[in-house]
Amino acid sequence: GENVEQHPSTLSVQEGDSAVIKCTYSDSASNYFPWYKQELGKRPQLIIDIRSNVGEKKDQRIAVTLNKTAKHFSLHITETQPEDSAVYFCAASIRGFQKLVFGTGTRLLVSP
Amino acid sequence: DGGITQSPKYLFRKEGQNVTLSCEQNLNHDAMYWYRQDPGQGLRLIYYSQIVNDFQKGDIAEGYSVSREKKESFPLTVTSAQKNPTAFYLCASSRGTGQNTEAFFGQGTRLTVV
Repeated sequence: GENVEQHPSTLSVQEGDSAVIKCTYSDSASNYFPWYKQELGKRPQLIIDIRSNVGEKKDQRIAVTLNKTAKHFSLHITETQPEDSAVYFCAASIRGFQKLVFGTGTRLLVSP
Repeated sequence: DGGITQSPKYLFRKEGQNVTLSCEQNLNHDAMYWYRQDPGQGLRLIYYSQIVNDFQKGDIAEGYSVSREKKESFPLTVTSAQKNPTAFYLCASSRGTGQNTEAFFGQGTRLTVV
């Protein structure tokens, strides 16, 4: 079955720095890779996603890159702000199976 | 107000008892999911359903059961066979049309065994 590994488990940065979170997946049939942000006490919410026919996607300060050959994808946050502090989860899904498998999460702390 | 609703928010269970967690969505989504969240272990898939009257086991299905009799509802029963049920449970749904799309989460149910 699909397995998703996520690193690092915790990440501390200064406000204005960039943050990078990396994930690897096991099943080469995976074709959908979303990223979720979970603030303390709240539900996870989608912040960006990418499909396997695209190598990179950007949305303001957030970008995701996908390397299908190496089976890994990364979340990049530039110009971090204290409100970016949260737990971030990557996930992978195989087309047609609707089975979303998540990584173990990264706790991002942005210090003012 | 469209969305996905879980109830109750907090649930206490005595050892040996079964409990059922409710999940309802009015988004007209075909696919629904149950995840368990423990500190440091992320979101682990318990069961998922791609369509009414059909569901599949996830990675940690032992001690749990589900049903999908209606499109809107996907209740999760935590049975007495689940040895460590204390956790935060999240339900989610997605359009599920074959092209994977965003999953929307409920607010979660925190289950505690007393």
